[in-house]
Amino acid sequence: DIQMTQSPSSLSASVGDRITITCRASQSISSYVNWYQQRPGKAPKVLIYGASSLESGVPSRFSGSGSGTDFSLTINSLQPEDFATYYCQQSYTTPYTFGQGTKLEIK
Amino acid sequence: QVQLQESGPGLVKPSETLSLTCSVSGDSINAHYWTWVRQPPGKGLEWIGYIYYSGSTSYNPSLKSRVTISLDTSKNHFSLNLRSVTAADTAVYYCARITAAVAARPFDYWGQGTLVTVSS
Repeated sequence: DIQMTQSPSSLSASVGDRITITCRASQSISSYVNWYQQRPGKAPKVLIYGASSLESGVPSRFSGSGSGTDFSLTINSLQPEDFATYYCQQSYTTPYTFGQGTKLEIK
Repeated sequence: QVQLQESGPGLVKPSETLSLTCSVSGDSINAHYWTWVRQPPGKGLEWIGYIYYSGSTSYNPSLKSRVTISLDTSKNHFSLNLRSVTAADTAVYYCARITAAVAARPFDYWGQGTLVTVSS
């Protein structure tokens, strides 16, 4: 199985900050990475697909980059609704696997 | 608008079979991939498997011996059966759509999730 390792596991930030979450795959997966946001008690929601494509309806302050084994999710100008848990996921091959999650908390 | 809704028992006894159904509205099940993901309380996401509209399936090897995912096109829903459950199978179970229109296959629509507890 392809392991997806996110860092950091948790992050404290303030409204208006810019933050970056990274995800490393255990082998090259081209650009087959998707990013999800999960708020407490809710289902995950896709933000970025194919490493850098913004899902329809997602604010442009979210962006993704990377290819091969190293990927990142950046959120510019954090808003109160952005404090949630974020997961990367590889869709290069089955079994699809997720990172362990990054919990973004308000400082 | 595409909507998915899980249904099934919230409590299952150890060694029995967990059975859930995901009803799809706003889209035909005769397209895309349809998948199940679970999340133990306080933990991360685990992919269980998917079924393609053609009927082909792919399962997580960690669960493959116990899992079956099936389609019912007449009812526009798909189902999950997980046999011989233990307490380790206690989780929120989500159904989701995997769009076939994009190479990266994102899970673009999700149900709200249903908590299944395994306990006697």
